[in-house]
Amino acid sequence: DARVTQTPRHKVTEMGQEVTMRCQPILGHNTVFWYRQTMMQGLELLAYFRNRAPLDDSGMPKDRFSAEMPDATLATLKIQPSEPRDSAVYFCASGLGLAENIQYFGAGTRLSVL
Amino acid sequence: GENVEQHPSTLSVQEGDSAVIKCTYSDSASNYFPWYKQELGKGPQLIIDIRSNVGEKKDQRIAVTLNKTAKHFSLHITETQPEDSAVYFCAARGQGAQKLVFGQGTRLTINP
Repeated sequence: DARVTQTPRHKVTEMGQEVTMRCQPILGHNTVFWYRQTMMQGLELLAYFRNRAPLDDSGMPKDRFSAEMPDATLATLKIQPSEPRDSAVYFCASGLGLAENIQYFGAGTRLSVL
Repeated sequence: GENVEQHPSTLSVQEGDSAVIKCTYSDSASNYFPWYKQELGKGPQLIIDIRSNVGEKKDQRIAVTLNKTAKHFSLHITETQPEDSAVYFCAARGQGAQKLVFGQGTRLTINP
């Protein structure tokens, strides 16, 4: 069945290293969302795209985070340099846009920055 | 912007009893209210949603009610089962907006 695929599922890295998380949205979906989940802040929206164009990245720390959609089947979230406070679970979700409100979430990438 | 408050943060009920989770929202223009269930190690999954033109929606053992005047909506789970144990999130989406604003989540535990 169709699902959002995220890789890697787990990532452990050292402070200062670059981290790249990948997301394959459901085929045919034209909106992609990146969320960060922590115990303290809950689910925070970092950025979202429609038809591969960034619509809102106001939730993302601009100095170290970047999000892109090189093509319709791949979304990436990069952190450079990573810091311990970036440790969280990062979720990608995709949807069909305004006409269809449902967001389908991937299983997440659990990031630990030491 | 929109703000969503969710209560309680934890809820424990006996198997077979009902569970109710409540959310309030701040933006009166919000028109779409989904509920997501997150099991351990998985991403949130939509379980039910309601739009602002209806007051109640039911799907088997789960139901959602919406009070637009008071700006609150609730999730009701009847005849709870152990597999209902999870974290539940409410969310609201403003009119014309793409993004959802989520509540802080409720950890529901069903005691056998």
